[in-house]
Amino acid sequence: KQEVTQIPAALSVPEGENLVLNCSFTDSAIYNLQWFRQDPGKGLTSLLLIQSSQREQTSGRLNASLDKSSGRSTLYIAASQPGDSATYLCADNAGNMLTFGGGTRLMVKP
Amino acid sequence: DTGVSQDPRHKITKRGQNVTFRCDPISEHNRLYWYRQTLGQGPEFLTYFQNEAQLEKSRLLSDRFSAERPKGSFSTLEIQRTEQGDSAMYLCASSLVGITYNEQFFGPGTRLTVL
Repeated sequence: KQEVTQIPAALSVPEGENLVLNCSFTDSAIYNLQWFRQDPGKGLTSLLLIQSSQREQTSGRLNASLDKSSGRSTLYIAASQPGDSATYLCADNAGNMLTFGGGTRLMVKP
Repeated sequence: DTGVSQDPRHKITKRGQNVTFRCDPISEHNRLYWYRQTLGQGPEFLTYFQNEAQLEKSRLLSDRFSAERPKGSFSTLEIQRTEQGDSAMYLCASSLVGITYNEQFFGPGTRLTVL
């Protein structure tokens, strides 16, 4: 059974800092890896999907990487802004379901 | 707005009552999923449909829970005899299998509070 872990659970950084969020998974037979953003009390917004054959995906200031052999994915956020404050979730997209980590709650201070 | 929609957004009920939630997926999507999220945790899978067929159910989906997608479009999730432990955010997602690598798109959720 796939288990997904995100460390740290919470992170606070000053505005403008580059930062990395970590996601680890126990089963390297991952299908796709999907990163989401969730604002308080709201649904999830899909940020990036990395196919199992890919190593990274980029969208604007976001870059996500996938290393199946080590069971890790990272989400890099460049030049963080207060508007980036949210919870970031990674998930193993196994085709029939998503298995989520617990999320990293990010606070970017002005 | 062509995203996933859910109704109602909030529901407060008393223990023992039945509740029903509705999800309307993105129109061309053939898969629809239900998840449950409690405070401070990531969402947990409940069940999914491909068109009108319910293909998988989590062990989290007790006998008090039932989901339908009668015409392969919208879906309903019913909880009978609600318990305080059912209090959570219920999230719906949809995807298009075969073209978009099954990228799932979520609705705003229905927050259920059982008193």
